Formats: sequence, structure tokens, C-alpha cells
Amino acid sequence: TQLLEQSPQFLSIQEGENLTVYCNSSSVFSSLQWYRQEPGEGPVLLVTVVTGGEVKKLKRLTFQFGDARKDSSLHITAAQPGDTGLYLCAGAGPLGDYKLSFGAGTTVTVRA
Amino acid sequence: KAGVTQTPRYLIKTRGQQVTLSCSPISGHRSVSWYQQTPGQGLQFLFEYFSETQRNKGNFPGRFSGRQFSNSRSEMNVSTLELGDSALYLCASSAPIQGSEQYFGPGTRLTVT
Repeated sequence: TQLLEQSPQFLSIQEGENLTVYCNSSSVFSSLQWYRQEPGEGPVLLVTVVTGGEVKKLKRLTFQFGDARKDSSLHITAAQPGDTGLYLCAGAGPLGDYKLSFGAGTTVTVRA
Repeated sequence: KAGVTQTPRYLIKTRGQQVTLSCSPISGHRSVSWYQQTPGQGLQFLFEYFSETQRNKGNFPGRFSGRQFSNSRSEMNVSTLELGDSALYLCASSAPIQGSEQYFGPGTRLTVT
């Protein structure tokens, strides 16, 4: 059982469309990170959100951390083929717990 | 700064054999974590080392072990390989702070036949 539930599992859209990926949990996290992974490579960190209610924008990507620090979302505006990949969310646990718990990931395919 | 490096990138082993994978963290990073990634289970935490000590451990059998050296380089070992151990093994380094960002290497693709 995944501590973090990501939805949807797969997403296929046309270039120029918008998409949102969700990451939900019943646990509270001290911080939450989003990664993107391409085939044959390790995950690459996109962003870290720390404060409940926080919104971070990186160009066409918008990340939100829920007020209760249990959930997060990633929104991509005007998706491009280069956005294709596996998107993973990962939560950091309570004080003294140094491991990250990862969601199962959302596979995003952006068709040209 | 050079990124996290892992060797070898690809490995094919036979059931019953053992394997050792190596990870060199980003310079200055003293925390190294290991993960197993499979299509069915996703990214599963194996263990984390800091200052040559295992600080955290996931739910894997004792056949999976690791260690860290004084220069922060880390190795993981899997003994008595099983078919189900076929996976991408990822190493990540970070500053040793609660919830700090992890930087992943490219992984070692292990295939057990």
C-alpha cells in the first residue's frame, strides 16, 4: 500500500492542453517534493513545498501544497512534448524520519 | 558540481549469485539513500546512510545490505539473488537535513535470470 496516492495513473494529452496530477495521503508531511523521471534515468527534482497552502510556479508548472500538508497537485499549462515523463510526488515524514515516501507516479504523455 | 554517479549502469546476474552496486554522491552531500524501482511497486525505500551509519531502513529482507565509507561513497549488496530482484536500483544523495531534497543518480538496471 502506497502512503501517497497519485492520480491519475496515466495521462495522455495533446500538445497545448492543460493537465493536473494529484497526490493525496492521510498522513501529514513536513515537506513534499515533485520529481520527473524519463526512461532509463533517475528522477529529477522539480520543486519542494514546505508550508501548508503554499503555491509555487516554475514557468508553465504550478505546484500546490494543501493547507493540512496532506495533499498536493501539479498543474501544467500548455503542455509540450518535452513534458512527457513519469511524475512522482514524495513526502518527508515527521522529525527524525529521514526517508522519503514516494507515490506510484503518473505517466504523462504529451502528443505533438 | 558533478552529479550522483552509479556503477555499473547495467548488470545481468543469475539466481543465487550476489551483486554489489556502487554510488558516489554529490560532493559535500553526506547522506545517501537507496531505492528499488519496479513497474509493479514503484519506488521503494531500501535504506539511508549518514556518516557511515545506517540511519533508516525500509522493509526489505536481510539479503539487501549496504554500507557507507568515510568519503560518503556507498555500496549496496544483494545476496542470493532472486528473479524478483530484477529492478532499477537508484541512489540519491542529499544534505543530512530532515526532508532535504534528494538528487538521484541514473540508476543501475539489474536483471536476474
